[in-house]
Amino acid sequence: GEDVEQSLFLSVREGDSSVINCTYTDSSSTYLYWYKQEPGAGLQLLTYIFSNMDMKQDQRLTVLLNKKDKHLSLRIADTQTGDSAIYFCADHSDSSYKLIFGSGTRLLVRP
Amino acid sequence: DAGVTQSPTHLIKTRGQQVTLRCSPKSGHDTVSWYQQALGQGPQFIFQYYEEEERQRGNFPDRFSGHQFPNYSSELNVNALLLGDSALYLCASRPPRRGLNYGYTFGSGTRLTVV
Repeated sequence: GEDVEQSLFLSVREGDSSVINCTYTDSSSTYLYWYKQEPGAGLQLLTYIFSNMDMKQDQRLTVLLNKKDKHLSLRIADTQTGDSAIYFCADHSDSSYKLIFGSGTRLLVRP
Repeated sequence: DAGVTQSPTHLIKTRGQQVTLRCSPKSGHDTVSWYQQALGQGPQFIFQYYEEEERQRGNFPDRFSGHQFPNYSSELNVNALLLGDSALYLCASRPPRRGLNYGYTFGSGTRLTVV
């Protein structure tokens, strides 16, 4: 069945780059999303990428997609303490109306 | 421009009771989905409503039901509450057409605690 997996935890120093990885199993994925969740809050859409793209850049965020390996990554340049949160990768295909989420990666940015 | 609004923000119910959660989608959005997020986990899809009908349902029992109104707002109802229903319930809306802002917008959620 459909599944999305992420590493649970990442710790980086302020100013460094962060790379959060995600793998998915659905071959018919059309869109892949990155959401950010801060404590006690809902999900904030950070960026998304169409499955026919390899890379998308949006200010400090770079998304890389390796469709052959079904691997997605989110790179945050110049990571700030305000970037500390849980990051969710989510997969969506046109054959379904639901988002499939990973369990989230907790990013801790150390001063 | 208000995003997705959900009410109430917090709720405490007793096991066996019934609860109704409400969602107003973002302006211009016509599709509403509901998700359950248990502590420490990713959101799980409950169902999606479009044109006032349930379009797809996730792996949730019939105790979970919903409704969409002509103004696109939606309700999630849960009957016979169990302790395991304690979670953050998230509503998400989507615009009718793909475009630069394509993607689901989530509300801040309703935190339901069943005691």
